[in-house]
Amino acid sequence: DAGVTQSPTHLIKTRGQHVTLRCSPISGHKSVSWYQQVLGQGPQFIFQYYEKEERGRGNFPDRFSARQFPNYSSELNVNALLLGDSALYLCASSLDWALNYGYTFGSGTRLTVV
Amino acid sequence: KQEVTQIPAALSVPEGENLVLNCSFTDSAIYNLQWFRQDPGKGLTSLLLIQSSQREQTSGRLNASLDKSSGRSTLYIAASQPGDSATYLCAVAGAQKLVFGQGTRLTINP
Repeated sequence: DAGVTQSPTHLIKTRGQHVTLRCSPISGHKSVSWYQQVLGQGPQFIFQYYEKEERGRGNFPDRFSARQFPNYSSELNVNALLLGDSALYLCASSLDWALNYGYTFGSGTRLTVV
Repeated sequence: KQEVTQIPAALSVPEGENLVLNCSFTDSAIYNLQWFRQDPGKGLTSLLLIQSSQREQTSGRLNASLDKSSGRSTLYIAASQPGDSATYLCAVAGAQKLVFGQGTRLTINP
């Protein structure tokens, strides 16, 4: 079985641009979450989706949005990029929304804003 | 608000030593605690998951313990190898999200 897949692996954008990151969960997993990891720090929670509904949102500005599709894949959108948005963006999937089964993470998308 | 602290921030030991990484959290109302490994520039690899009702989990040379009442977890690595060099992160599961510590950067010297 394939693990959590994220695309693209690396991305360079200019300040003010928009970016879309994509994630496919493990087959059978209905929960997808997004995390931002700035260099040298632990990941910070951005969103959780379960059965196509937003179940949780972290302390991020409205420039960040996400959605989950009927096949449970997900995309994270960031508008009006700032230099401070440069980070590793991690997607994680889980069997349920209450995290009883733990998380499986993808390899991440490295976003650089210049 | 849940806060997770990992001590030490960095650790360097010779190959073959047994070692302990520490994780503490402020709110004992957790679903579970998960230990991850992260290689430079890579994603997270899950090492061990301890449910809130459990006291410890073991996988090969790794053993993780959980004491919810004191808000502590430890990751014990036996007979360390150079390939164990990585950053180790602990994360506690609350409502809909994981809260991570900042990690311990471990270097095993041959």
